[in-house]
Amino acid sequence: GAVVSQHPSRVICKSGTSVKIECRSLDFQATTMFWYRQFPKQSLMLMATSNEGSKATYEQGVEKDKFLINHASLTLSTLTVTSAHPEDSSFYICSARWARGYTFGSGTRLTVV
Amino acid sequence: QQPVQSPQAVILREGEDAVINCSSSKALYSVHWYRQKHGEAPVFLMILLKGGEQKGHDKISASFNEKKQQSSLYLTASQLSYSGTYFCGTGYNQGGKLIFGQGTELSVKP
Repeated sequence: GAVVSQHPSRVICKSGTSVKIECRSLDFQATTMFWYRQFPKQSLMLMATSNEGSKATYEQGVEKDKFLINHASLTLSTLTVTSAHPEDSSFYICSARWARGYTFGSGTRLTVV
Repeated sequence: QQPVQSPQAVILREGEDAVINCSSSKALYSVHWYRQKHGEAPVFLMILLKGGEQKGHDKISASFNEKKQQSSLYLTASQLSYSGTYFCGTGYNQGGKLIFGQGTELSVKP
């Protein structure tokens, strides 16, 4: 139980374009979704917390207009990286809270060229 | 606010034991332990809630000292499959966000 499906697993995009990452909870309702970013050999850094039907709460230093989060349903949350730049290249992971803890998506490796 | 993990890295031979510590400067509600292999998402190991408890399954166990605001992960009779980076995620209220430590890289050699 408590599976979160994250897509795409890898994406390469050109500088200046936007990329959307989706996370779906398959067998439970995810009222809250957390989005993390992880640079090589570093920890998972929380970017934002999204609650279904309301605006996301962003961590200090994370640009709201650059990282757009939408949590329109109990099973889907999306992260859109707008006007991507090479420094946005990273591993993005979503996490959802369920009855027994927190479960993670499989991650999205974003490379901006 | 980020919890501090120690050691940063450890190298073991198969069958040896290891302890990974996680300390917080704030009062903790919960501690979550994960293992991450290179290029993959973190995999849940266990969760400990305030009240001070110890949990374990197989040869991996953990303790949570609420007073000291720290948790320890114990790996006994390590196996090659234990290799990876271990993260503790600390929660400060029920259902709230998790903040992760910097990670401990564990390598188990034959």
